[in-house]
Amino acid sequence: AQTVTQSQPEMSVQEAETVTLSCTYDTSESDYYLFWYKQPPSRQMILVIRQEAYKQQNATENRFSVNFQKAAKSFSLKISDSQLGDAAMYFCAYRRINKLIFGTGTLLAVQP
Amino acid sequence: SQTIHQWPATLVQPVGSPLSLECTVEGTSNPNLYWYRQAAGRGLQLLFYSVGIGQISSEVPQNLSASRPQDRQFILSSKKLLLSDSGFYLCAWSAHLNTEAFFGQGTRLTVV
Repeated sequence: AQTVTQSQPEMSVQEAETVTLSCTYDTSESDYYLFWYKQPPSRQMILVIRQEAYKQQNATENRFSVNFQKAAKSFSLKISDSQLGDAAMYFCAYRRINKLIFGTGTLLAVQP
Repeated sequence: SQTIHQWPATLVQPVGSPLSLECTVEGTSNPNLYWYRQAAGRGLQLLFYSVGIGQISSEVPQNLSASRPQDRQFILSSKKLLLSDSGFYLCAWSAHLNTEAFFGQGTRLTVV
C-alpha cells in the first residue's frame, strides 16, 4: 500500500528567509502524481504545486519549488522569501489513478 | 467553472444519533469524489472515494458509510455516531487520471 511520510511535525522560518519541508513516499508504481497542499487557519485546502512523476524537471510556482528525487522517493517543498501569509499546515499528497493519499502534515510558523 | 459545496459547516450531534453530510459538485461531469476526515492537529485520512454513481471504495472500516446517488452528489452517513467520530470532514473532487483534487469548505463535527 502507498504511504506518505512527513517527518517534520512543525517548522519555523523567519520572514524573507527560505524553508524546506520534507516528504517521502512509498510506492511500487512508476507513474503517479505528487502534490503539496496548504491549509491555513480557515482550513480551506489550497493546492500549492504539483509534480508528474514522469517529468525529471522540478516544478516551480513563483516562490514555491520542489526537489523531486524519484529514486529516493523524496518530494520536498522549498518556500523562498517566506511571507507571513505562508504560515499554515502543509500536506504532501500522492496520487495514483483514483486514490489520493495525504501525509500527516507540517505546521509552518513564519516569524516576523 | 467547477465548484464544490459541502454542508453543514458545523454540526453538534449527540452520541447514538444519525449523521448525514452532503457534498455536491457543479460544472463537471463524472468526477472522482472523496471523503476525508481530519482529527485535530492531524493529517487527512481517506475514508471513501467514488469513481462513479453507486461505486464506493472504503479505505478504513468504521462506523461510517458513503453513497453516491447522483453523478455529482456524495453523502457521508452514520446510523449511530460515536464520540470518536468527532473531527473535521472534507469532501473533494477531481477529474480522472491523476489530477489534483479540489476541496469543499469542510464540516466540523462534534459528537457530544
